[in-house]
Amino acid sequence: GAVVSQHPSWVICKSGTSVKIECRSLDFQATTMFWYRQFPKQSLMLMATSNEGSKATYEQGVEKDKFLINHASLTLSTLTVTSAHPEDSSFYICSARAVGPEGEQYFGPGTRLTVT
Amino acid sequence: AQSVAQPEDQVNVAEGNPLTVKCTYSVSGNPYLFWYVQYPNRGLQFLLKYITGDNLVKGSYGFEAEFNKSQTSFHLKKPSALVSDSALYFCAVRDSGGYQKVTFGTGTKLQVIP
Repeated sequence: GAVVSQHPSWVICKSGTSVKIECRSLDFQATTMFWYRQFPKQSLMLMATSNEGSKATYEQGVEKDKFLINHASLTLSTLTVTSAHPEDSSFYICSARAVGPEGEQYFGPGTRLTVT
Repeated sequence: AQSVAQPEDQVNVAEGNPLTVKCTYSVSGNPYLFWYVQYPNRGLQFLLKYITGDNLVKGSYGFEAEFNKSQTSFHLKKPSALVSDSALYFCAVRDSGGYQKVTFGTGTKLQVIP
């Protein structure tokens, strides 16, 4: 089946620094990718939707200047957490939707971000 | 706006017994419904989906789900639970238009007791 990878799987950074998370669709093209955030023992909350070559659409309450999303190609989207703070510590999961009207969404394994 | 409700935070079932994890949804138009499973510190794994067709959908690992339009439900079932089924299960509904945004339920922790 289709595979979505995320890199890194775990990152620890200091408060005030920026962290970039990559999401790749390995064996299919994804015109649309989604970024989710999951707090411990909670559901996934959609942060933003990105389409290849265009600006991301952010959900209400998500700071677009803090969470920078770049969808540069049909197989790669990146999420950059700028000036990270401890409250940004979370599990970030991306998903990629395959091309087509019933294109399935495939989820990455997630990235655990810890800001100290 | 679309929404998904999973009324049970946790479901406990003895190994070998049938299991049911409940899900109800609200969406305008035809629903695209999904079940995913998540193991600790892992991403989501797709179990099954309902787009159209038979109300009983069969998925991975012996799971199945029954779509009930009148009750707006999409309960996940398995005839005989395994200890390895213990995980967090999410029901989700997908918007049929636009970017096809997926909305997740709050998740149900399934604990299968040996």
